[in-house]
Amino acid sequence: NAGVTQTPKFRVLKTGQSMTLLCAQDMNHEYMYWYRQDPGMGLRLIHYSVGEGTTAKGEVPDGYNVSRLKKQNFLLGLESAAPSQTSVYFCASSYGLANEQFFGPGTRLTVL
Amino acid sequence: EDQVTQSPEALRLQEGESSSLNCSYTVSGLRGLFWYRQDPGKGPEFLFTLYSAGEEKEKERLKATLTKKESFLHITAPKPEDSATYLCAVQVLPGGYQKVTFGTGTKLQVIP
Repeated sequence: NAGVTQTPKFRVLKTGQSMTLLCAQDMNHEYMYWYRQDPGMGLRLIHYSVGEGTTAKGEVPDGYNVSRLKKQNFLLGLESAAPSQTSVYFCASSYGLANEQFFGPGTRLTVL
Repeated sequence: EDQVTQSPEALRLQEGESSSLNCSYTVSGLRGLFWYRQDPGKGPEFLFTLYSAGEEKEKERLKATLTKKESFLHITAPKPEDSATYLCAVQVLPGGYQKVTFGTGTKLQVIP
């Protein structure tokens, strides 16, 4: 049981480049989330999904897109990276809306 | 606006020296309060969920309590392996929108 996995672990981009972060979970959870964590600001929700084929905006969605084509996968895309998107990105999943979330190990992204 | 404030920002304890971490919240309607532990370079790991004032939960040296305005994470006789950042998060009503607000955490260091 791998839990929640994230790919890649580290990435450096130049301003304007694009990339996709992949999140996978093997717990058959309906709900999946993408967060960013910045020093002194806590975890902030970017986008989330309440099931396969659904996505919704969170607190800080601008500059990001997501897709959930399969129940076990949740992709986060940056179409044109900006230095303000330098952060650590965490994916999480949960059984239900009111249940605890299980987090992946994170992706450290630097945009130059 | 929903707010979650954790104090202190950092805490240094001698091994065996008990203490408490605080999470105060101002939300429109609490659905649940979560405590997580985060080790450096890793994703948060779930510890407890509390749903109503007066509720308490324990796990090894940790005990979480909840009032109408705040939650405490009591650490009894801590060991060096308890060193981590402890995050609290609140989920608010209504539940139609996935609204979980995280605090910025308390960084705990336990010295042998």
